[in-house]
Amino acid sequence: SQQGEEDPQALSIQEGENATMNCSYKTSINNLQWYRQNSGRGLVHLILIRSNEREKHSGRLRVTLDTSKKSSSLLITASRAADTASYFCATDAPTSGTYKYIFGTGTRLKVLA
Amino acid sequence: SAVISQKPSRDICQRGTSLTIQCQVDSQVTMMFWYRQQPGQSLTLIATANQGSEATYESGFVIDKFPISRPNLTFSTLTVSNMSPEDSSIYLCSVVRDPVTYNEQFFGPGTRLTVL
Repeated sequence: SQQGEEDPQALSIQEGENATMNCSYKTSINNLQWYRQNSGRGLVHLILIRSNEREKHSGRLRVTLDTSKKSSSLLITASRAADTASYFCATDAPTSGTYKYIFGTGTRLKVLA
Repeated sequence: SAVISQKPSRDICQRGTSLTIQCQVDSQVTMMFWYRQQPGQSLTLIATANQGSEATYESGFVIDKFPISRPNLTFSTLTVSNMSPEDSSIYLCSVVRDPVTYNEQFFGPGTRLTVL
């Protein structure tokens, strides 16, 4: 079953604008990861944020985590056409006693040149 | 990060046949997983590949349909057995190097399977 739900399902913006994607999850977590996938290819790991962290940055990416709301957001600033991809969040399930990650439904981002 | 390769990268198979997908990692990793991504969908975890023992399958996936081997800490195979068109998907292996201290999960490039 899906642990995470992402919104919006699809997002279309102009190059140079910022893109924000949200991920909500159901149970407590240790870590949350964000990934990018271009056109059905393999997943590229973007950022891992731990449950005791509130915000992380990597280049033009900013990830926030609110464990009280069980939600995370991914912000891409100054978007480029090359950012066009699907973005997924993935959460672990520490209550299961394993380190497996369950993926959200994904957001399809299209950046128009 | 870990360098992960998968073979084959893609295949077209006939209904009723089986395909074995290989996953090779450039260094020893603690955990390996297999995921399926059906067309236009997100990723669904099939199983955790355990070294030296039977894989741990998620609900809805069984060993007879998706037998998995993991003979060592750098290699695993997933077999898709008695295939039907519904098995057409991208199959991805992923690894976690050390879940206690370094638990980013990295993915291979995927195997795109089409079943006719």
